[in-house]
Amino acid sequence: QAQLVESGGGVVQPGRSLRLSCAASGFSFSLYAMHWVRQAPGKGLEWVAFISYDGSNKQYADSMKGRFSISRDNSKKTLFLHMSSLKPEDTALYYCARMERRAFDIWGRGTMVTVSS
Amino acid sequence: EIVLTQSPVTLSLSPGERATLSCRASQSVSSNLAWYQQKPGQAPRLLIYDASTRATGIPARFSGSGSGTEFTLIISSLEPEDFAVYYCQQRTNWPPDYTFGQGTKLEIK
Repeated sequence: QAQLVESGGGVVQPGRSLRLSCAASGFSFSLYAMHWVRQAPGKGLEWVAFISYDGSNKQYADSMKGRFSISRDNSKKTLFLHMSSLKPEDTALYYCARMERRAFDIWGRGTMVTVSS
Repeated sequence: EIVLTQSPVTLSLSPGERATLSCRASQSVSSNLAWYQQKPGQAPRLLIYDASTRATGIPARFSGSGSGTEFTLIISSLEPEDFAVYYCQQRTNWPPDYTFGQGTKLEIK
């Protein structure tokens, strides 16, 4: 059974950095493109970043460019999101998701990031 | 940047009724549109991709239609478990973008 489990969230001060992880199991991780999506408390879904199956192509939402970096380790079946220069408006539940047939078919349960002094 | 506008914002219906949710794109996205369901405290769940193809395990009462800029999700006869928030999402190859709509809350009347 395909599963994604996020970790690494927490409370962080503005301007600091944080790295999120997403552990995959139950499917051939190295064959799939992956994404990060976030959801601020009480708000809708916001796409964050994309990485191709082999890590050669990475794309970001405009508001995250230059501050966020997506990466993956296929040998460890793990996806990462490195976030720097964090702002209070980055406070959200961060989900990782698998892309299959041009949609996000498997989602983790999310990890909460709170940016506050 | 493509903007997706969902309507209505809130839809109040009773079990057994038919629900019609709309998603309008600011420019054509062809058939590159998906629908998701999200219940409180849960991750989103993929319902429809490529505008009209049901995802694995999704009941036949869910159907999607449309292309270009106008899309519709129909739930033919509402079950109690269908009351949730629904999001549409578009996929653009270049520049890469996977924008979500703002959501429609389907609530019990």
